[in-house]
Amino acid sequence: GAVVSQHPSWVICKSGTSVKIECRSLDFQATTMFWYRQFPKQSLMLMATSNEGSKATYEQGVEKDKFLINHASLTLSTLTVTSAHPEDSSFYICSAKGGFSNQPQHFGDGTRLSIL
Amino acid sequence: AQSVAQPEDQVNVAEGNPLTVKCTYSVSGNPYLFWYVQYPNRGLQFLLKYITGDNLVKGSYGFEAEFNKSQTSFHLKKPSALVSDSALYFCAVRDIEDTGGFKTIFGAGTRLFVKA
Repeated sequence: GAVVSQHPSWVICKSGTSVKIECRSLDFQATTMFWYRQFPKQSLMLMATSNEGSKATYEQGVEKDKFLINHASLTLSTLTVTSAHPEDSSFYICSAKGGFSNQPQHFGDGTRLSIL
Repeated sequence: AQSVAQPEDQVNVAEGNPLTVKCTYSVSGNPYLFWYVQYPNRGLQFLLKYITGDNLVKGSYGFEAEFNKSQTSFHLKKPSALVSDSALYFCAVRDIEDTGGFKTIFGAGTRLFVKA
């Protein structure tokens, strides 16, 4: 069964609104969480990595103020797309990993975000 | 700046035959290299990574990849393909940018078709 739950799976909203995506680890403590973005022509981008209780580490070129990431607990991370615009429309995928290096990285099913 | 190339958009293999999905990269320093797989209707999954050490890395589902520094390659291999291996495969490289921040670059993806 799924070990990482991502919600919502699909969201449509108007330009200018903010959208929050949740990522929960269901049966393990996610010390580290990752947020990816998949563009329409399938290419992937790692946006940021977050450790529980710390600020997220953003990849070069990712706007920190645009994509707010919070990892407040060992089971929940959120990505908020602030003042979303049509160019932010994409497929966002979260992933979670436990604290030991040999623990696997589990992925959510993704969130399809469409900004009108 | 780093780059990664997956020269084949698609690879076709008969079930039971060995498979290779190619990846070449360019980095300024020592690379961190990754393979991910995206199955239809099952989301993204992590397969394996190379950070340091043994050039042959073993991963999930019987896959392995060999880090070849002289050829700057990190090809994904499996001795005997299964129909269930049919999916989209992404190679990724992580390096430090000139500005000091990390960036992970993904290849465009290679679609693997395994025919029964």
